[in-house]
Amino acid sequence: SYVLTQPPSVSVAPGQTARITCGGNNIGSKSVHWYQQKSGQAPVLVVYDDSDRPSGIPERFSGSNSGSTATLTISRVEAGDEADYYCQVWDSGSDHVVFGGGTKLTVL
Amino acid sequence: EVQLVESGGGLVKPGGSLRLSCAASGFTFSRYSMSWVRQAPGKGLEWVSSISGSSSDIYYADSVKGRFTISRDNARNSLYLQMNSLRAEDTAVYYCARGRDCSGGSCYSRNDYWGQGTLVTVSS
Repeated sequence: SYVLTQPPSVSVAPGQTARITCGGNNIGSKSVHWYQQKSGQAPVLVVYDDSDRPSGIPERFSGSNSGSTATLTISRVEAGDEADYYCQVWDSGSDHVVFGGGTKLTVL
Repeated sequence: EVQLVESGGGLVKPGGSLRLSCAASGFTFSRYSMSWVRQAPGKGLEWVSSISGSSSDIYYADSVKGRFTISRDNARNSLYLQMNSLRAEDTAVYYCARGRDCSGGSCYSRNDYWGQGTLVTVSS
């Protein structure tokens, strides 16, 4: 089955840039979506199809995808960005939706 | 405004059954694929099942295949998850989530709206 690998945690100071990676075999050939989940809340889609943003999501959130790694980049990080972030793909090989294990973003 | 409201969670004994519902509003329900995603306490998101708008395509995670059944009633704008032979490891918050207005594999990812979740606890 297809596996997405995320670092368990990422820490960044306010105003700096956070980069959260999502590794998978030839993930560059898939469409990657990213979700933000704050404590006790439902997930929120923040980036879809590798690099597009839903309406209402700040431009500070951006994404890229190439080769074996997709990356969610959060610029000018704010305290309110502290949350768990998950990547997601559709795996046509297994006809399954796959989530990464999640990355906890801590704002120092 | 798009809204998804889950119901039907609760405490059930191992081996028991439960039926979850998700009431949708604010969009043309029949056009969209829908999914169930769960989250065990303190754990990450786990995809459970997806269904196309017409119910012609249905997919299950290996962990629930043969025990859970996803269905929808487009006339009632509702999504369901029938859960049988429940195990302790099925304990989780269950979310319903909207996919894309298309059919085909990638339509089941990119979940742009989620419900607030309903808690299922499997314990004796």
